[in-house]
Amino acid sequence: GAVVSQHPSWVICKSGTSVKIECRSLDFQATTMFWYRQFPKQSLMLMATSNEGSKATYEQGVEKDKFLINHASLTLSTLTVTSAHPEDSSFYICSARDFGDEQYFGPGTRLTVT
Amino acid sequence: KNQVEQSPQSLIILEGKNCTLQCNYTVSPFSNLRWYKQDTGRGPVSLTIMTFSENTKSNGRYTATLDADTKQSSLHITASQLSDSASYICVVSGWGKLQFGAGTQVVVTP
Repeated sequence: GAVVSQHPSWVICKSGTSVKIECRSLDFQATTMFWYRQFPKQSLMLMATSNEGSKATYEQGVEKDKFLINHASLTLSTLTVTSAHPEDSSFYICSARDFGDEQYFGPGTRLTVT
Repeated sequence: KNQVEQSPQSLIILEGKNCTLQCNYTVSPFSNLRWYKQDTGRGPVSLTIMTFSENTKSNGRYTATLDADTKQSSLHITASQLSDSASYICVVSGWGKLQFGAGTQVVVTP
């Protein structure tokens, strides 16, 4: 089956610093990748949709200058949380959609901002 | 208003017992409905996916049903095991976008 990896699986950073999270489709090419955020005991909330080689589309209320998304290839997308603050602490999950329109989720990245 | 509503919000069941989770949706147009299992601190893992024309699909001890007329789905877990403790999320696809339910937290106790 299709596998999506995320790196790192967890990260702790100081307030004001930036953190980059990678999402890779390991055995398929992803036309589109999605970034989600999940707070405790809540479901996934879509943050942005990224297509390879083009700018990401952000959901309403998500600051594009704070959450920078780069989709440089059909197998890699990165999410950079800039100037992180404690309220950005969350579980970040990516998913990748293959050419057959099926989405596969990554294992998630736990971000803690101190 | 959430277009995908799940019930119950949480439930506790004894190991070996069966349980059924519900999902009602208003998403339109409808492409497919998926059930995912999400362990704590992990990403969602697909259990079943059903299109408009399918009304039941099984994956081991998990059986999902779909009534596209009433826009309802259920996930039945048979002979629950401790490893079934997780959040079960109903996701409906329409226009290429996924609409997520809030999930049902299942706890299986010995």
